[in-house]
Amino acid sequence: GENVEQHPSTLSVQEGDSAVIKCTYSDSASNYFPWYKQELGKRPQLIIDIRSNVGEKKDQRIAVTLNKTAKHFSLHITETQPEDSAVYFCAAYYNTDKLIFGTGTRLQVFP
Amino acid sequence: EAGVAQSPRYKIIEKRQSVAFWCNPISGHATLYWYQQILGQGPKLLIQFQNNGVVDDSQLPKDRFSAERLKGVDSTLKIQPAKLEDSAVYLCASSLGSATLYGYTFGSGTRLTVV
Repeated sequence: GENVEQHPSTLSVQEGDSAVIKCTYSDSASNYFPWYKQELGKRPQLIIDIRSNVGEKKDQRIAVTLNKTAKHFSLHITETQPEDSAVYFCAAYYNTDKLIFGTGTRLQVFP
Repeated sequence: EAGVAQSPRYKIIEKRQSVAFWCNPISGHATLYWYQQILGQGPKLLIQFQNNGVVDDSQLPKDRFSAERLKGVDSTLKIQPAKLEDSAVYLCASSLGSATLYGYTFGSGTRLTVV
């Protein structure tokens, strides 16, 4: 079935530390994996995405890795800052042109 | 470019009442999605339109939810009658075409509270 699992559900880190969020997906045909950041009361915003023809993509302090064999993908945030505090969602594209979202990770960065 | 517009931003209704939400996607975006996001959970797809046709409504509770996209532009999502468990944010998203090529743009959502 169409399913995306996400862990952990909550993550607390000290400012400057790294944060890692992991997701697994069920459909081996999935080829597009975006990550969204959602601040309280606001819409989800795309922060980075990766397609199945690459294993890693980086954009300043955030990076995403993809392991298609294991059907895993992860978000890495380095040098975390308080403004990184939000809920992060992974998603996987399924073949009817829709995104299935994970359950979310609430990241808290303490100064 | 203008974003995805949704209205109203907030709605409070009593259970068993009816409610409707409106979405105006980005101009030219053929694909439109309605998601339900219950507090503390990820967005769950309710229905997907391609132009004015339904592509996927497998997760839409059809006994009480309905949606339409007349003329392939604006869309409305209706709940009749509402239940307490329908309390959620209803997000509309649109895409120029394939989500893998163009991604999604989300609207600000409608927060529904059923009391």
